[in-house]
Amino acid sequence: EVQLVESGGGLAQPGGSLRLSCAASGFTLSSYWMYWVRQTPGKGLVWVSCIKNDDRGTRYADSVRGRFTISRDNAKNTLSLQMDSLRADDTAVYYCVRVTAGRDAFDIWGQGTMVTVSS
Amino acid sequence: DIQMTQSPSSVSASVGDRVTVTCRASQGISNWLAWYQQKPGKAPKLLICRASILQSGVPSRFSGSGSGTDFTLTITSLQPEDFATYYCQQANSFPFTFGPGTKVDIK
Repeated sequence: EVQLVESGGGLAQPGGSLRLSCAASGFTLSSYWMYWVRQTPGKGLVWVSCIKNDDRGTRYADSVRGRFTISRDNAKNTLSLQMDSLRADDTAVYYCVRVTAGRDAFDIWGQGTMVTVSS
Repeated sequence: DIQMTQSPSSVSASVGDRVTVTCRASQGISNWLAWYQQKPGKAPKLLICRASILQSGVPSRFSGSGSGTDFTLTITSLQPEDFATYYCQQANSFPFTFGPGTKVDIK
């Protein structure tokens, strides 16, 4: 079965760090563009970071640039998001998402992992 | 980045109603548009890609149309399981961006 499973969310203090992981099964993660998308409770979907299949193309939303780092471990078939210098407005559900082979939509979503930044 | 807008932000409808959601891109995106349905506590589900291609398993009461900057999602004969929030998303350029969502709730 093709699926994505996130882990690593939880409670962090302002200024702290968390590392999210996304384990892929049923497909080779390195062959696809991948995104992290977040959703603040009761609000819409916002892209956070993305990585192309060649690993050279990465982008970050303005709100996280310089604080978050996306990466892939091809041997483990996992995607990661290192989140440093966390702020209260980073509080959200974070989804790991796969882009279709045709690069026209997000076809596979993880279940989401909640990140809460609070003192 | 391409900005996406949706209207209305919410709509109240009854079972059996026809519902139309509009999405607009800040620049032309040809037909590189997808629609998603999200229910509370769940991840979004892909309904339509390339503006009008229905995904496998999605009921035929859902349809999409449009190209360029203006797009429409139509639900004919709304069913109880269709009450949800709907998002459009452009796939014309990297990074992909979403509209703010349209909540369809029960009248």
